[in-house]
Amino acid sequence: ETGVTQTPRHLVMGMTNKKSLKCEQHLGHNAMYWYKQSAKKPLELMFVYNFKEQTENNSVPSRFSPECPNSSHLFLHLHTLQPEDSALYLCASSLGDTLNYGYTFGSGTRLTVV
Amino acid sequence: ELKVEQNPLFLSMQEGKNYTIYCNYSTTSDRLYWYRQDPGKSLESLFVLLSNGAVKQEGRLMASLDTKARLSTLHITAAVHDLSATYFCAVDSNFGNEKLTFGTGTRLTIIP
Repeated sequence: ETGVTQTPRHLVMGMTNKKSLKCEQHLGHNAMYWYKQSAKKPLELMFVYNFKEQTENNSVPSRFSPECPNSSHLFLHLHTLQPEDSALYLCASSLGDTLNYGYTFGSGTRLTVV
Repeated sequence: ELKVEQNPLFLSMQEGKNYTIYCNYSTTSDRLYWYRQDPGKSLESLFVLLSNGAVKQEGRLMASLDTKARLSTLHITAAVHDLSATYFCAVDSNFGNEKLTFGTGTRLTIIP
């Protein structure tokens, strides 16, 4: 257990479904991130939140909608996804602009869109 | 735009041998990070290098950073099967935007 908890660990959803991924950390970090990891592709940064304000949206399609109600919780709301969205979605947290310790990653959610 | 390149992308090596993974990056930075990922798992932090000339060692792994050459190396000594994994380097762009850019990863397979 890294201190960053992601749920669910696995998710299978149809293209018309709506689901949400949850990430929680109690490390005292103030920045949180969503990354997408697809087979044979580099880690893709999706969103960055710092002190619960979104500071980066890396041209992510609107079918992915992030929410950060406080510095400890981060959600990724999913709707009308495509099969190519199937991937491992990783949440991470950090101390923000110091980054002296890098990121702490959660265990990830393996998403399959059918 | 910051680019981070690793080589090789794939590496098979025999147990007991030594090898080095290279991480090059395109813009000025003095903070670099190494992570390990086992298949189907998340990323685990290995090393944090925060200055030019920094060297860190843990067991059979040693990482170093040369900020002038924009190069970091991850050296494996006397490899064992347990080191089989994918290794990523990541660079802080120094723009104060709390964001790391990751390399493509090196998949390391240790053969008995």
